[in-house]
Amino acid sequence: DSGVTQTPKHLITATGQRVTLRCSPRSGDLSVYWYQQSLDQGLQFLIQYYNGEERAKGNILERFSAQQFPDLHSELNLSSLELGDSALYFCASSVGTTRNNEQFFGPGTRLTVL
Amino acid sequence: AQKVTQAQTEISVVEKEDVTLDCVYETRDTTYYLFWYKQPPSGELVFLIRRNSFDEQNEISGRYSWNFQKSTSSFNFTITASQVVDSAVYFCALSGQMEYGNKLVFGAGTILRVKS
Repeated sequence: DSGVTQTPKHLITATGQRVTLRCSPRSGDLSVYWYQQSLDQGLQFLIQYYNGEERAKGNILERFSAQQFPDLHSELNLSSLELGDSALYFCASSVGTTRNNEQFFGPGTRLTVL
Repeated sequence: AQKVTQAQTEISVVEKEDVTLDCVYETRDTTYYLFWYKQPPSGELVFLIRRNSFDEQNEISGRYSWNFQKSTSSFNFTITASQVVDSAVYFCALSGQMEYGNKLVFGAGTILRVKS
């Protein structure tokens, strides 16, 4: 158990809908990262927050947004969902924001868009 | 740009065989960090090791060992005396420092199947 929690574990929804994925980092970690794992794209970095502020952005679609709250939990919002958004979404956390920090991953949320 | 290549898509071995998973990376940074993660069938990503670019010493942890060679930009992972429980997808990753943050750049992964 990495100490990172994600809810829900599974999510099934329809095209055009909006969903929110939630992540709680390990105790003491200030950075939260979101990654998407799909068959065709592999594991791709989406976005990083550190202590409530956005720090790095990857290949995140404009339909997707995220935030980190004062209690350090983070939410990833996916809107106008398309079939291609079906994927496993991971949250990870680390102590700081530098590249030497190990990132510890949550169990993931499997999103299925029908 | 940073890139990680895991050329082996899938490897099958019989229990107790040794197996090496290859990882080749590209980066222009002089300081960087390399990682290996394991993704068992249950789906979570488990951190295995971190290595910085200044430390080329090989590392051994039980049945696991890692060979980092800066000259060939490789960071290979060997499992000695493989076991069925080692069956998983293994990812090599490179840390990418961005202006105010960082990210992991992952390879495509190698599926390891260990048969009894």
